[in-house]
Amino acid sequence: RKEVEQDPGPFNVPEGATVAFNCTYSNSASQSFFWYRQDCRKEPKLLMSVYSSGNEDGRFTAQLNRASQYISLLIRDSKLSDSATYLCVVNNGGSYIPTFGRGTSLIVHP
Amino acid sequence: DVKVTQSSRYLVKRTGEKVFLECVQDMDHENMFWYRQDPGLGLRLIYFSYDVKMKEKGDIPEGYSVSREKKERFSLILESASTNQTSMYLCASSLITGEYEQYFGPGTRLTVT
Repeated sequence: RKEVEQDPGPFNVPEGATVAFNCTYSNSASQSFFWYRQDCRKEPKLLMSVYSSGNEDGRFTAQLNRASQYISLLIRDSKLSDSATYLCVVNNGGSYIPTFGRGTSLIVHP
Repeated sequence: DVKVTQSSRYLVKRTGEKVFLECVQDMDHENMFWYRQDPGLGLRLIYFSYDVKMKEKGDIPEGYSVSREKKERFSLILESASTNQTSMYLCASSLITGEYEQYFGPGTRLTVT
């Protein structure tokens, strides 16, 4: 079983829609969580960290559910510029190495 | 602003050539990483380093080696390039523990013919 799993999509949504992605992780000792965004042919960049209490940044909300071992990303009022691949990243306590999901592709159309 | 730079954006090499990919970061980060990214396979870790002259194998180290002689520089070496090493190569750096975000370079798209 892969340590970090994401639905690859693509999620195809119209502008203005609300869309949510989940990411499940298998290691219950995982301690820190992130969402990265990767545009086509570009490097991944941090979108937001995911805290136990949740995290909101404008139209983006990230949440952590430790009991069910998943994190989520909610995007409200989708823009064309939100089209990208969203990578879930999980760090296990004491490890230098983060574990990446394979990414969820989002396409926002007019 | 953290900056991670990679020596080339695009590279074309022949089978059997020795290939050097260089990565430099300017934020005094302890950790540095080399990944390759292929469609459908996501990011796969080749090697990482948590200190000068220290290195650890990642998930797919075969056919690769690394060098970290200075804290800011991490080199990936393809000893004898093969066509199955055609890929996008991404370098990243981060602070010492896994709790901190990684910063990525722009990537090197390597084609081996």
